[in-house]
Amino acid sequence: AQSVAQPEDQVNVAEGNPLTVKCTYSVSGNPYLFWYVQYPNRGLQFLLKYITGDNLVKGSYGFEAEFNKSQTSFHLKKPSALVSDSALYFCAVRDPFFNTNAGKSTFGDGTTLTVKP
Amino acid sequence: DGGITQSPKYLFRKEGQNVTLSCEQNLNHDAMYWYRQDPGQGLRLIYYSQIVNDFQKGDIAEGYSVSREKKESFPLTVTSAQKNPTAFYLCASSPKDNYGYTFGSGTRLTVV
Repeated sequence: AQSVAQPEDQVNVAEGNPLTVKCTYSVSGNPYLFWYVQYPNRGLQFLLKYITGDNLVKGSYGFEAEFNKSQTSFHLKKPSALVSDSALYFCAVRDPFFNTNAGKSTFGDGTTLTVKP
Repeated sequence: DGGITQSPKYLFRKEGQNVTLSCEQNLNHDAMYWYRQDPGQGLRLIYYSQIVNDFQKGDIAEGYSVSREKKESFPLTVTSAQKNPTAFYLCASSPKDNYGYTFGSGTRLTVV
């Protein structure tokens, strides 16, 4: 079974400071990892993914994430936070076997990021 | 514009009533999914479908039903057997390759 954990319910940072939102995962086999963002009363939006290749992946809105196989982590990062980055962030792991499981995803419980001016 | 549309945005259900949430996509995606979102619990998978006329139960399928008669459509029915249906319901779709999901804007269901 696959699972993800987001150990922090809330992350607070000041505008202009770097931010990190943490995620750890558990899968059998190679992980397919994703980050999504959700604004109030909206659906989730895809930010970035790791399937294979470089451990540092870049995504939308200046976000990046670092895959660490030994620590089974996939932390979301941004060098300089903006007030507009304030939202709910979800880490997800996707089943790689589409023909048997339709690539279904398991999501973490989410981390609320608040960036203060 | 391609996308995924959920309707209605808000829905109120009386006790003992079945209600159906609509989900339509024009992205030509093969797979579609229904998730339920409750505060502090993240997203939980209700049903998913990878092809027309086929679907599988997710982690919390009890009290729900779905159909996939067309590639574009994946409606979710919340039956009277679902004892705690008040939640935010999200529909998503995906192509076969391992791209991210595209989500609809959600339906907020409230029991009155």
